[in-house]
Amino acid sequence: SYVLTQPPSVSVAPGQTARITCGGNNIGSKNVHWYQQKSGQAPVLVVYADTNRPSGIPERFSGFNSGNTATLSISRVDAGDEAAYYCQVWGVSSDHSVVFGGGTKLTVL
Amino acid sequence: QVQLQQWGAGLLKPSETLSLTCDVNGGSFSGFYWNWIRQTPGKGLEWIGEINHSGSTNYNPSLKSRVTISIDTSKNQFSLKLNSVTAADTAMYYCARGFWDGYYYFDYWGQGNLVTVSS
Repeated sequence: SYVLTQPPSVSVAPGQTARITCGGNNIGSKNVHWYQQKSGQAPVLVVYADTNRPSGIPERFSGFNSGNTATLSISRVDAGDEAAYYCQVWGVSSDHSVVFGGGTKLTVL
Repeated sequence: QVQLQQWGAGLLKPSETLSLTCDVNGGSFSGFYWNWIRQTPGKGLEWIGEINHSGSTNYNPSLKSRVTISIDTSKNQFSLKLNSVTAADTAMYYCARGFWDGYYYFDYWGQGNLVTVSS
């Protein structure tokens, strides 16, 4: 089965840029989506199809996908961005299979 | 604005059947897939399965033998049944809307239901 690998944790100082990676075999050929999950809340979509932001998501959130790694970048990080972030792909081994990464906890120092 | 509100029993004994329902308010009910996703501390987010307004389903192969997802289009609701539960099924369960356009993601989520399986 297809595996998405994320680092368990990333730490960044306020005002800096956080980069969260999602590794997978030839992931650059797939569409990657990213979710933010704050403590005690349901996940929220922040980037879809590699680079697109849903309505209401700040421009500080951006995505890139190439080769074996997709990356979610969050610029000008503040305390409100502290959360777990998950990547997701679809259709990798059967028509409607959905795979999530293990999640990365972003800590704002 | 689309809102998903879910409910169901939160405490089960081993071998019982988990049953959850998700009500969809706002937006179109057709044209989307309606999903169940669970989250455990150990395994993170796990997709359980989906159904569309026509009743066509797809399930995670690892759970397929125990899962049934059904839909009631007259009420804009869909439901999950997971039978023969064990402690490993203890998780937060979410319903979510799946949007397909050559790729597939979840744009609206329910608030979640914590289900605990314990004797």
